[in-house]
Amino acid sequence: DGGITQSPKYLFRKEGQNVTLSCEQNLNHDAMYWYRQDPGQGLRLIYYSQIVNDFQKGDIAEGYSVSREKKESFPLTVTSAQKNPTAFYLCASSFSGTSGSRLAKNIQYFGAGTRLSVL
Amino acid sequence: AQTVTQSQPEMSVQEAETVTLSCTYDTSESDYYLFWYKQPPSRQMILVIRQEAYKQQNATENRFSVNFQKAAKSFSLKISDSQLGDAAMYFCAYRRDPLGNAGNMLTFGGGTRLMVKP
Repeated sequence: DGGITQSPKYLFRKEGQNVTLSCEQNLNHDAMYWYRQDPGQGLRLIYYSQIVNDFQKGDIAEGYSVSREKKESFPLTVTSAQKNPTAFYLCASSFSGTSGSRLAKNIQYFGAGTRLSVL
Repeated sequence: AQTVTQSQPEMSVQEAETVTLSCTYDTSESDYYLFWYKQPPSRQMILVIRQEAYKQQNATENRFSVNFQKAAKSFSLKISDSQLGDAAMYFCAYRRDPLGNAGNMLTFGGGTRLMVKP
């Protein structure tokens, strides 16, 4: 089945620890995104990547880092610099640039999310 | 910067009746996309309906339809014949750059919680 897989579903972080959230997609999408969702709020963009080995900061990138070594994978690291990491994290992907139709480029598909809590 | 506002934190509707969720947005662009996403208790984001700004015709997907008023920058979602499974958070979202070349992200509203009464 094609889709976006996020793991783990639940993650706990100790103070001062870095943790990494996994996001893998087999939809052949070029672009991938990380969003943060706080209780009762909408999603805010952390980082996005249009192509392998390239990524851009979103609205709330401080305390986070990403890599894009493979088209299928876009892991997010929550560093110890992120003082309030407790949230629900959603990964998404879409076509972009020269691939896909105009409509396809603009639809983002989401994973099931990872809930991160601080111990 | 673009902003998206959902002024109704919560709405309720009787099963089989119709409900309308409101969304307004602010942009200086003329070409963009608008979306409604549904987030059930599972937290999975599900695309409900989309609207291309250059199209005047309102989008429709089965029981879901939108009222897109470009001049007023309004994009409301109408759910007809509401079902218990429609209970969820609904998010309105805006995306600039319809050609997808610059990697612009979705900007989300704060959400509306819809409750469906049996």
